[in-house]
Amino acid sequence: RKEVEQDPGPFNVPEGATVAFNCTYSNSASQSFFWYRQDCRKEPKLLMSVYSSGNEDGRFTAQLNRASQYISLLIRDSKLSDSATYLCVVNISPNTGNQFYFGTGTSLTVIP
Amino acid sequence: DGGITQSPKYLFRKEGQNVTLSCEQNLNHDAMYWYRQDPGQGLRLIYYSQIVNDFQKGDIAEGYSVSREKKESFPLTVTSAQKNPTAFYLCASSMAGVSTDTQYFGPGTRLTVL
Repeated sequence: RKEVEQDPGPFNVPEGATVAFNCTYSNSASQSFFWYRQDCRKEPKLLMSVYSSGNEDGRFTAQLNRASQYISLLIRDSKLSDSATYLCVVNISPNTGNQFYFGTGTSLTVIP
Repeated sequence: DGGITQSPKYLFRKEGQNVTLSCEQNLNHDAMYWYRQDPGQGLRLIYYSQIVNDFQKGDIAEGYSVSREKKESFPLTVTSAQKNPTAFYLCASSMAGVSTDTQYFGPGTRLTVL
């Protein structure tokens, strides 16, 4: 079983739409959670960390549900520039140091 | 500017040759990582290092080697034993021992074996 699983999509949405991505993780000892954005042929860049209380950054909202072991990302009022692949990342932090596990990513295309 | 640099951006290699990818960071991070990404796939961990002069194998270490002689540098050698080395290679760093910290990535090296 993979440590982190995401729906690969693709999600094709019109400008202005709201879109949500989910991600599940298998290790209940996971300690921290992140969403990254990766543009085509570029490196992943941190979009936002995910906290138990949920957090919001402009049009982006991230939620963590520890009981069900999933995290979500909500994008409101989608822009063309939001088109990218969104990676879910989990940090398990074993005794040997931080261990980051990546989902395979969810592809989003925002259509004019 | 603080950050991670990788060089070269594009690299072409003939079959049977070893090649070394450079990764340097000036973020004062203890931990460094190498990942491989194939088209349409997620990141797979090759090697990681939590401290100077120490490193551990990741999920796909066969055919690769690393060294960590300096905190700032974590070069990756792709050896001729790696069966399918054409891929996008990403180096990352993070603070060690801080579970809430995230990873920061370099711009990547795209390796093509001819």
